[in-house]
Amino acid sequence: DIQMTQSPSSLSASVGDRVTITCRASQSISSYLNWYQQKPGKAPKLLIYAASSLQSGVPSRFSGSGSGTDFTLTISSLQPEDFATYYCQQSYSTLWTFGQGTKLEIK
Amino acid sequence: EVQLVQSGAEVKKPGESLKISCKGSGYSFTSYWIGWVRQMPGKGLEWMGIIYPGDSDTRYSPSFQGQVTISADKSISTAYLQWSSLKASDTAMYYCARRFAVVRGVIIWSAFDIWGQGTMVTVSS
Repeated sequence: DIQMTQSPSSLSASVGDRVTITCRASQSISSYLNWYQQKPGKAPKLLIYAASSLQSGVPSRFSGSGSGTDFTLTISSLQPEDFATYYCQQSYSTLWTFGQGTKLEIK
Repeated sequence: EVQLVQSGAEVKKPGESLKISCKGSGYSFTSYWIGWVRQMPGKGLEWMGIIYPGDSDTRYSPSFQGQVTISADKSISTAYLQWSSLKASDTAMYYCARRFAVVRGVIIWSAFDIWGQGTMVTVSS
């Protein structure tokens, strides 16, 4: 299996802050990397696919970058509705895997 | 509207069997893979497996192979996740999700774009 490791596991930030979450793959996955947002009691929501492509309807303050083994999700200016848990997920192999999640909390 | 609607919450005893469902609507159900994702209480997302309803081609994560069965009935646009003998450790929220694909030249990018609302399964004696 390809292992996905996110850092940090949790993060405190304020509204208006710029935030970056990192995801590392255990082997090269090219740009086969997706990002999801999950709020408590809700299903995950796709934010970014193919490492940097913004899913339709997702605000432009979200952006993704990276290729190979190292990837980042950046929120340029945090809004109150952005406090949630974020997951990366690789779609390089037939068997997809998720990172362990990064919980973004209000400072 | 494109949506996946899952069956309701279940409370079962260890050793019992269970089959939960995920019904697609608003799109061609046979043209998209449907995946299942487990989320244990307070934990992260785990990819369990995936099925192509068009021909029932199915893939499983090694962690779930032999523990669950994924199936689909394309005549009613429904995918299923079933257990033959539940354990307390199966207590979790289970999500189905549609795998969409974007083709750019020879590369196919894919992700889960539509998710069901989740089915909570509680296994307790």
